[in-house]
Amino acid sequence: NAGVTQTPKFQVLKTGQSMTLQCAQDMNHNSMYWYRQDPGMGLRLIYYSASEGTTDKGEVPNGYNVSRLNKREFSLRLESAAPSQTSVYFCASSEDRGGEQYFGPGTRLTVT
Amino acid sequence: KQEVTQIPAALSVPEGENLVLNCSFTDSAIYNLQWFRQDPGKGLTSLLLIQSSQREQTSGRLNASLDKSSGRSTLYIAASQPGDSATYLCAAPLNNAGNMLTFGGGTRLMVKP
Repeated sequence: NAGVTQTPKFQVLKTGQSMTLQCAQDMNHNSMYWYRQDPGMGLRLIYYSASEGTTDKGEVPNGYNVSRLNKREFSLRLESAAPSQTSVYFCASSEDRGGEQYFGPGTRLTVT
Repeated sequence: KQEVTQIPAALSVPEGENLVLNCSFTDSAIYNLQWFRQDPGKGLTSLLLIQSSQREQTSGRLNASLDKSSGRSTLYIAASQPGDSATYLCAAPLNNAGNMLTFGGGTRLMVKP
């Protein structure tokens, strides 16, 4: 039981490049989330998926898109990376909305 | 909009002390409140979740309380150990749907041997 896994662990992009961050959970959870963590700003919700087939914007969705590929997987895409998107990205899941959230190990992204 | 504040931002204590970490929130109509631990360079580990109908939750040496009327939660750590050194974060939902957690800035705890 791996919990929540994220790939890659580290990534460096040039401004304007695109990439997709992958997240998978093996706990049969319905809800999944993407957060970013920045010094001085704390953790902020980017997007979430309350259940398979649905996605909703969080606090800071601009510049990102998401796909809930199936119940296990929830990906985050940066179409045209900007230096302001340099951050640590965390994926999380919970059994249902409002449930205890479990976090992955994070992806450290640097955009130059 | 929910705002969550944690004071102090950093705390250093000698091993063996009992300590209290504080978390305050502006909107008392919370769905629940969750406490996490984060080690440097790592993800978040869930410690305790308190539902809005509960007043406290316990896990081992940890006890979390919730007082919605005053907008406060505390995390009590008994007999602290150097292994407890980490950043502790509290989070409450942004809305009454419970999905969208708003995080406090965290308290960085150092327990000295």
